[in-house]
Amino acid sequence: GIQVEQSPPDLILQEGANSTLRCNFSDSVNNLQWFHQNPWGQLINLFYIPSGTKQNGRLSATTVATERYSLLYISSSQTTDSGVYFCAVSAASGGSYIPTFGRGTSLIVHP
Amino acid sequence: DTEVTQTPKHLVMGMTNKKSLKCEQHMGHRAMYWYKQKAKKPPELMFVYSYEKLSINESVPSRFSPECPNSSLLNLHLHALQPEDSALYLCASSARDWNEQFFGPGTRLTVL
Repeated sequence: GIQVEQSPPDLILQEGANSTLRCNFSDSVNNLQWFHQNPWGQLINLFYIPSGTKQNGRLSATTVATERYSLLYISSSQTTDSGVYFCAVSAASGGSYIPTFGRGTSLIVHP
Repeated sequence: DTEVTQTPKHLVMGMTNKKSLKCEQHMGHRAMYWYKQKAKKPPELMFVYSYEKLSINESVPSRFSPECPNSSLLNLHLHALQPEDSALYLCASSARDWNEQFFGPGTRLTVL
């Protein structure tokens, strides 16, 4: 099946810093989502971005499907950005689209 | 309404108990999913329902039994669970198979 690698695995920032999270995938994908899992376990949709660039406030994401990677940019980080960021992709495999999550990037933002 | 709801939020059960988890969405989505997440791990797909029919079962033990009574509701019936089944159980929905998924807040299950 498709392999998804996220980097870095852990990230510690001071409030106000910027960061870039990366998601590499091993095959062509039909769908790609970025999620933020808060400390209570809720998975919050950040972006649905199989290709192209999107922005939402301090967050933006870019997926270069031909080069099999996606980037999530967090600017002016806040303590509420802490949590785990997951990239999830799905690709046609035998006629079914099995979603695969990366192992996540754990982000801690200190005040 | 872009919300997926799950009940209960927390559940503690013994190995001989029977319990059920419930998931509901009112977005008109036709695909619904159950995931299991252990601590410090990514979610793992368990089941997929598409148009109220079970389309994917990721080799889940029979002590987990899914049910989709209608297009808005998804249940997960639990029986004779083991302590290693303790985890966060997440429900998600999407407009169609493998479109953008929306997750509920999860049920934290502890099996004693």
